[in-house]
Amino acid sequence: GQSLEQPSEVTAVEGAIVQINCTYQTSGFYGLSWYQQHDGGAPTFLSYNALDGLEETGRFSSFLSRSDSYGYLLLQELQMKDSASYFCAVEDSSYKLIFGSGTRLLVRP
Amino acid sequence: DAGVIQSPRHEVTEMGQEVTLRCKPISGHDYLFWYRQTMMRGLELLIYFNNNVPIDDSGMPEDRFSAKMPNASFSTLKIQPSEPRDSAVYFCASRRPGDTDTQYFGPGTRLTVL
Repeated sequence: GQSLEQPSEVTAVEGAIVQINCTYQTSGFYGLSWYQQHDGGAPTFLSYNALDGLEETGRFSSFLSRSDSYGYLLLQELQMKDSASYFCAVEDSSYKLIFGSGTRLLVRP
Repeated sequence: DAGVIQSPRHEVTEMGQEVTLRCKPISGHDYLFWYRQTMMRGLELLIYFNNNVPIDDSGMPEDRFSAKMPNASFSTLKIQPSEPRDSAVYFCASRRPGDTDTQYFGPGTRLTVL
């Protein structure tokens, strides 16, 4: 089967750093993506890792370890607008995205 | 550029009625995906097309669901007959040729079946 595990909820303070972990077990693997979704909105692409290591895009970074079937999204200098759900997604061998159940991030003042 | 366009944004219907959801992908994108999102099941891929051809429909829950893509700029997802358990947000997404990592999602259609 195919499964992705990520925490259901994370709470952090404005200005802090938060890490959202994702472990996966899939039949094929091309890469790990992260999407952000605000309440009532559509998922929007944040980052993608195909190779091991850290990818940085502004305040957001994403890490992948293929040998550990593990990745994380790191959000720095948290802002209130970062309160949203964050989904990890594995691209399998047929170019489909398999989404995790999402992590709801609440940023407090 | 306009993003992915979906219509209607909200649909309320009664059990047994036919529902048709519409999607216009971003111009030039060659992949189109239909997803369903519920609290219980999360974001599920229903079907996807490449160059207007259905590639994988293994996520379509039942024969009551069907999808078509008659041309590169239009796709429909039809539910006939609809049931209350079909209530969900349905998203359409598209992807550029050769771009394997990014899908662009439309705003979604919130379907309520009474």
